[in-house]
Amino acid sequence: QQQVKQSPQSLIVQKGGISIINCAYENTAFDYFPWYQQFPGKGPALLIAIRPDVSEKKEGRFTISFNKSAKQFSLHIMDSQPGDSATYFCAAWASGTYKYIFGTGTRLKVLA
Amino acid sequence: NAGVTQTPKFQVLKTGQSMTLQCAQDMNHEYMSWYRQDPGMGLRLIHYSVGAGITDQGEVPNGYNVSRSTTEDFPLRLLSAAPSQTSVYFCASSNDHNQPQHFGDGTRLSIL
Repeated sequence: QQQVKQSPQSLIVQKGGISIINCAYENTAFDYFPWYQQFPGKGPALLIAIRPDVSEKKEGRFTISFNKSAKQFSLHIMDSQPGDSATYFCAAWASGTYKYIFGTGTRLKVLA
Repeated sequence: NAGVTQTPKFQVLKTGQSMTLQCAQDMNHEYMSWYRQDPGMGLRLIHYSVGAGITDQGEVPNGYNVSRSTTEDFPLRLLSAAPSQTSVYFCASSNDHNQPQHFGDGTRLSIL
C-alpha cells in the first residue's frame, strides 16, 4: 500500500514533443505529490508539486495532472527540449508519516 | 548558498570496514533524511530525523546508524560494510516534514 508505481521506465521524445510520465498509488492517506528532476552526478531537485485539492498545476512547460478517484498523477512536459533529458521521480507523502515514498524513476531522453 | 553538502563524493571500501558519510545543511532545516539510490529501485529511505536528538528508521535501515546532535549535521555510519551497500547515497533536508526536500549531490560508495 505504500508503493508508488511509475511508468515508463524510459522514454525517448523528439524535440518539441510532449513527454508524459505516469504514477499510481494505493494509499489514500497520501496528500502531497512532488516531482523531482535529476541530472547525472547530481541530487534530485524539486520540479513541481501538487496537493490533492486541485486537479492540475502548471509551471511553465511542466504540468501535473491529478486524478484523485483513479489514484493517479502524471507529469507532462510540453515542447520538450534536449536540456530536459534527465531522470524524473514522482513521490508521495502522507501526513504524520514523516516519510516520502518515491517511484522508481523515468529516464527521459529528448532528441535534438 | 551551500544548501546540503555531502562528503566524500566518492569512496571505495573493503568488506567489513566502517565509515561515516557526512551531511551538513545551512538552511536551519529541522527535517533531514538519508536515501540510497540503486538502479531500477528509485530512492529508498534509510533513516530520518525531525530535529536534533530525534531519529527514526526508514524503509532500509539495517547496517546503518545515524545521530543528530546538531540541527546542521546528520552523519550516516556504515557499521561493517557489505557489497550489498554499494550504492549512491543522498542526504536531504526540508524546513518541515511535508515541504519540498533539498538534496545534496550524493556520495558514490563501492564496497569490494
